[in-house]
Amino acid sequence: EIVLTQSPATLSLSPGERATLSCRASQSVDSQLAWYQQKPGQAPRLLIYDTSNRATGIPGRFSGGGSGTDYTLTISSLEPEDFAVYYCQQRRNWPLTFGGGTKLEIK
Amino acid sequence: EVQLVESGGDLVQPGGSLRLSCAASGFTFSNYWMGWVRQAPGKGLEWVASINQDRSGTYYVDSVKGRFTISRDNGANSLYLQMDSLRADDTAVYYCARQYLTSPHWFDPWGQGTLVTVSS
Repeated sequence: EIVLTQSPATLSLSPGERATLSCRASQSVDSQLAWYQQKPGQAPRLLIYDTSNRATGIPGRFSGGGSGTDYTLTISSLEPEDFAVYYCQQRRNWPLTFGGGTKLEIK
Repeated sequence: EVQLVESGGDLVQPGGSLRLSCAASGFTFSNYWMGWVRQAPGKGLEWVASINQDRSGTYYVDSVKGRFTISRDNGANSLYLQMDSLRADDTAVYYCARQYLTSPHWFDPWGQGTLVTVSS
């Protein structure tokens, strides 16, 4: 099973700042990585798939990158609605696995 | 508009059974892989099971193999999860999710979830 480790667990930033979230895999996932956003009481929403492709309707301030075992989600300038929990997910191997999440909170 | 609506969540005793349903609308259901993802209270996401378009392929996380069965009815635009031998650690919100057409095994969109509580 591929284990995904997200860091930091909590990130405290202010609106307008840049956010960088990390996801490290226990073995290469060959860019087969996605990012989701989840707000309290809501279902997750797909943001980025295949490392760097934005899903439909996702604003351009969200971008993804990385390769091999190390991946990042960057939010270029935080909007108030971006404060949420973010999860990475791999599809390189069964079982599909998610990281433990990073909570992005308002400083 | 794409919609996924789960139902069937309930309070059930350990060892009991439950069948979750997911009604899909707004897209050609038979074209897509579908899946179930769960989230225990206050915890992260855990993929549970996936099924391909024609039901020839089903995949499960190890912790539910032999106890849960994913199925679909393309004529009824519905996805199901039969859950048997339920345990306390199966307690979670269960989300139905469509998988991306051009790049399967990414989940988009998700339903609102249905709560399964396993407790005596």
